[in-house]
Amino acid sequence: GAVVSQHPSRVICKSGTSVKIECRSLDFQATTMFWYRQFPKKSLMLMATSNEGSKATYEQGVEKDKFLINHASLTLSTLTVTSAHPEDSSFYICSATHPAGGVYEQYFGPGTRLTVT
Amino acid sequence: DAKTTQPPSMDCAEGRAANLPCNHSTISGNEYVYWYRQIHSQGPQYIIHGLKNNETNEMASLIITEDRKSSTLILPHATLRDTAVYYCIAEGGGSNYKLTFGKGTLLTVNP
Repeated sequence: GAVVSQHPSRVICKSGTSVKIECRSLDFQATTMFWYRQFPKKSLMLMATSNEGSKATYEQGVEKDKFLINHASLTLSTLTVTSAHPEDSSFYICSATHPAGGVYEQYFGPGTRLTVT
Repeated sequence: DAKTTQPPSMDCAEGRAANLPCNHSTISGNEYVYWYRQIHSQGPQYIIHGLKNNETNEMASLIITEDRKSSTLILPHATLRDTAVYYCIAEGGGSNYKLTFGKGTLLTVNP
């Protein structure tokens, strides 16, 4: 199946700093990528939809100025958590859609564990 | 989005078939049934999807009732590595479709 990577897999940062997470589709071009967040023992929550070459669409309640998303190419989307605070500590997961038989399947990255101290 | 309901947990013996049910009684005609699973601390993994016909791939089989109000994911020979949370999602199939994850079913495969 299609492969999506994320970097870094784990990051620890101090409160007030910014962290960038990269999401890459390795063997296919992804017009659309998604960013999710998952708190411990909770389900995935969609944060935003990222389309190549255009502004991301954020879900209700997600601050676009805090979670900056850039989708500059068909294989790379980045999420920057600006001025991170301890409550931003979470598991961040990206996905990319891949067409298969007329239907799009979403392939997920392995996730990035962010800890803000 | 159609809402799905799944049992919170299930157990299965290693080597036996695991049958995971899902109700999606409000699914609309153009929505597919997708199944994903998430092994602890990993990103979700796509398993299978279907519209109205039964589907089978190398991972699993998907049985969809004729009225499309429910479906069953079948792992024919469960292994310990199949222990995961399984999510059933009803959604359209376009490139911008958004997956809404519920709580899923925690399948525990026991030795």
